[in-house]
Amino acid sequence: EADIYQTPRYLVIGTGKKITLECSQTMGHDKMYWYQQDPGMELHLIHYSYGVNSTEKGDLSSESTVSRIRTEHFPLTLESARPSHTSQYLCASSGETGRQYFGAGTRLSVL
Amino acid sequence: SQQGEEDPQALSIQEGENATMNCSYKTSINNLQWYRQNSGRGLVHLILIRSNEREKHSGRLRVTLDTSKKSSSLLITASRAADTASYFCATDATGNTGKLIFGQGTTLQVKP
Repeated sequence: EADIYQTPRYLVIGTGKKITLECSQTMGHDKMYWYQQDPGMELHLIHYSYGVNSTEKGDLSSESTVSRIRTEHFPLTLESARPSHTSQYLCASSGETGRQYFGAGTRLSVL
Repeated sequence: SQQGEEDPQALSIQEGENATMNCSYKTSINNLQWYRQNSGRGLVHLILIRSNEREKHSGRLRVTLDTSKKSSSLLITASRAADTASYFCATDATGNTGKLIFGQGTTLQVKP
């Protein structure tokens, strides 16, 4: 149903590596979001964007950074991954209705 | 502090029974939304109810909203094994311009 895509679906990497999680949507939505979710737990907003060149930190502090150079693309970057970054990362977008559309998520494991 | 709290945290029922999940929140809202998440996947939007609405239906789903008690409930009627998932409420608080705050979710297991 949703036209929002995340890659990769799974990522296992070593400590200290730089990683970028990709998120793209084809719905023309201005608003995009990144959430972090540990297994069986609630979602925590870590970054959001209301349009091109607009990014804000969310409610949960995160060492990751984001960029929004194009409407459809909202990548998340970790400069130096650590085991504490192991989690699932979910990307979402929303339009005028306020309903959010989610990607399938990236499950990150840092060894 | 957490905006949404859900009750129960886990629910196990037989196929054909109804499932009711409750959500409480703390601040005034523009709308409240319910989402479903299958294990390890992204969330799927189920229903949105605005602050001036009291009840909404979608297929086997019925959502109620009581803004005076700051609470909502999701009822799934005639449950099926395929309804097994986690269900989250999320609030769009007044002034938050689209950001959602999610509850911790209710894990529903429907036994065939």
